[in-house]
Amino acid sequence: NAGVTQTPKFRVLKTGQSMTLLCAQDMNHEYMYWYRQDPGMGLRLIHYSVGEGTTAKGEVPDGYNVSRLKKQNFLLGLESAAPSQTSVYFCASSLGGYRRHTEAFFGQGTRLTVV
Amino acid sequence: KQEVTQIPAALSVPEGENLVLNCSFTDSAIYNLQWFRQDPGKGLTSLLLIQSSQREQTSGRLNASLDKSSGRSTLYIAASQPGDSATYLCAVTGANSKLTFGKGITLSVRP
Repeated sequence: NAGVTQTPKFRVLKTGQSMTLLCAQDMNHEYMYWYRQDPGMGLRLIHYSVGEGTTAKGEVPDGYNVSRLKKQNFLLGLESAAPSQTSVYFCASSLGGYRRHTEAFFGQGTRLTVV
Repeated sequence: KQEVTQIPAALSVPEGENLVLNCSFTDSAIYNLQWFRQDPGKGLTSLLLIQSSQREQTSGRLNASLDKSSGRSTLYIAASQPGDSATYLCAVTGANSKLTFGKGITLSVRP
C-alpha cells in the first residue's frame, strides 16, 4: 500500500541546472498538489491539479512548471534552478471531484539543495 | 485569498497537561479542515478531518472542533505525553480546491 511516493528523496543541483520531481499516487485520487516548505514560511502551494490533463497555479508558481499527463502522476519541473529554490518539496493528493471533503495524503518529501 | 493563522508558533507544556491548539482562517467558504502532525525531517500525517457540515471529530486523545462561521478550529490534546512533541498544522480546503496551510505550532511536552 504505497500511498503517495516522491522521487527522488534528496538532490543537490548546481545553479542553472534543470530537474524533474515525480509524485506518484496509487489511490485513484483526482486532486494532486505540490508544496514547498521553508523555515518560518510554512507550506506554500506551488501548483495543483484537479484532474488528469489539468493544472493550476498556487501561491508561489514562478520558476516551476508542472504536468499531469497521467492521473496517478504529477511532475514538478525546475527549468533553471536557483539557490532560492532550495527547500523541502512535498506532494499531496486527495480524492477530489464531488468528494472534495476527503482527507489529503502526503509524500515523505524531497530535500533539494541548489548551490 | 484564504489565510490560515496558528498562534502561538511554539508551545512547551509539562507531561500530563491537557492543551488546546488554535487555528483561524479568513474565508469561511471551505469544504473541510484538516489537522496534521509533522515530526522533524518527516512528511505530514493526517490526524483528523472535519467536514464543513460537522462540528467536531475525535480520535483517541485528540478532539478537533470547527466553527466555520467564526473561522476557527481547535485541536484538543488530552493528557499530553512526550511522544506528542511535534509540529501541528491545520489546513483548509477552499471552494477553489486549494489546500491552504497555517505555519504550524511546534509543541514540546516535557517529561
